[in-house]
Amino acid sequence: GAGVSQSPRYKVAKRGQDVALRCDPISGHVSLFWYQQALGQGPEFLTYFQNEAQLDKSGLPSDRFFAERPEGSVSTLKIQRTQQEDSAVYLCASSFGARGNQPQHFGDGTRLSIL
Amino acid sequence: TQLLEQSPQFLSIQEGENLTVYCNSSSVFSSLQWYRQEPGEGPVLLVTVVTGGEVKKLKRLTFQFGDARKDSSLHITAAQPGDTGLYLCAGVGGAQKLVFGQGTRLTINP
Repeated sequence: GAGVSQSPRYKVAKRGQDVALRCDPISGHVSLFWYQQALGQGPEFLTYFQNEAQLDKSGLPSDRFFAERPEGSVSTLKIQRTQQEDSAVYLCASSFGARGNQPQHFGDGTRLSIL
Repeated sequence: TQLLEQSPQFLSIQEGENLTVYCNSSSVFSSLQWYRQEPGEGPVLLVTVVTGGEVKKLKRLTFQFGDARKDSSLHITAAQPGDTGLYLCAGVGGAQKLVFGQGTRLTINP
């Protein structure tokens, strides 16, 4: 596709359930990022991949959060034993190269609601 | 920890007025980006400023990067209802990740 695609767009889960969020980056983009955006706030960095290598996971809030990009394309963000504070919009972004300052192209996000 | 503070957080003005949004930090960034985000959508990049003191114009929007590369401003001239949205500044530090401000929610009333 032309842009970054995220699925599902909306996810409702009960507290304690596991969820998996998918990101399809723009074809050929080397870098992939996950951000968490709470209601009324700016996005906060979670993790960064360069191809299949996870180079920075310093923003993951706890060990319940896990991300992978096994073939250097599609990425999955998994949250285990979800809690209410995990409710947020999860944004994925990709960029062409591996250097800083390159434009990041964002998907429309997955809105996660934990009941 | 690098932080960016945006002000104001909310701004509601009449069509035709001018406005300025500020983005400040105590940290130096290699570059700074401005995004606009509509409800239910991801942020869309408006501009990247790289050099201290740099000024970029995008139609009625003027972006400036501070001389010390710690702050930036967005000025909109003759605001229009179509300018309504959430404006985010984001700093690019030493790593690839973006550090976002909390955003300025702008409403332009007809």
